[in-house]
Amino acid sequence: DTGVSQDPRHKITKRGQNVTFRCDPISEHNRLYWYRQTLGQGPEFLTYFQNEAQLEKSRLLSDRFSAERPKGSFSTLEIQRTEQGDSAMYLCASSPPSPRSRDGYTFGSGTRLTVV
Amino acid sequence: GQQVMQIPQYQHVQEGEDFTTYCNSSTTLSNIQWYKQRPGGHPVFLIQLVKSGEVKKQKRLTFQFGEAKKNSSLHITATQTTDVGTYFCAGPPVRDNFNKFYFGSGTKLNVKP
Repeated sequence: DTGVSQDPRHKITKRGQNVTFRCDPISEHNRLYWYRQTLGQGPEFLTYFQNEAQLEKSRLLSDRFSAERPKGSFSTLEIQRTEQGDSAMYLCASSPPSPRSRDGYTFGSGTRLTVV
Repeated sequence: GQQVMQIPQYQHVQEGEDFTTYCNSSTTLSNIQWYKQRPGGHPVFLIQLVKSGEVKKQKRLTFQFGEAKKNSSLHITATQTTDVGTYFCAGPPVRDNFNKFYFGSGTKLNVKP
């Protein structure tokens, strides 16, 4: 396990369709995060899991977004009824439990979503 | 709400020149982390600063955390073309938990050979 894996790398979808992204974190990392990044901006927090529990969700996230992390391993992020404004890079990151959290986040390569 | 601002937004330098990016938070941070994102890549962790006034060095990179823990800087001495990328600061507000990092808007560095 050499890093955080995200699938797919790219997704083009029609407006109104549902999409699901997958993230496989580093195996010993119990913390998992989803961020969204648009061109020229820094990553924006979406949601956070510690093991299988979703402990925080951004207020910016509409009801069309849902994330899961069954069994505390991989995570999925689903966007229902996609809109053009959802087009962005969706980044997954993981980090080890404290105090090793000083190691920082390890980000995956991201899933670039384009809604047409 | 929480805001983390970085200046400048862009910086173009000649190879060998120095570079500095500044990070300012609207609230006190528990700690601050710095990330580098190469063009087309994802953010890569560089360093974390925790203590007020802390200074850390990594070869040509010097990181500082302000006394009030609301600002930070990254200084690169004698830039090289390999330094090209966008540099982000990120940190959790003291009032918040340690797990949600707010990222700055980034400083995009271009180095001309």
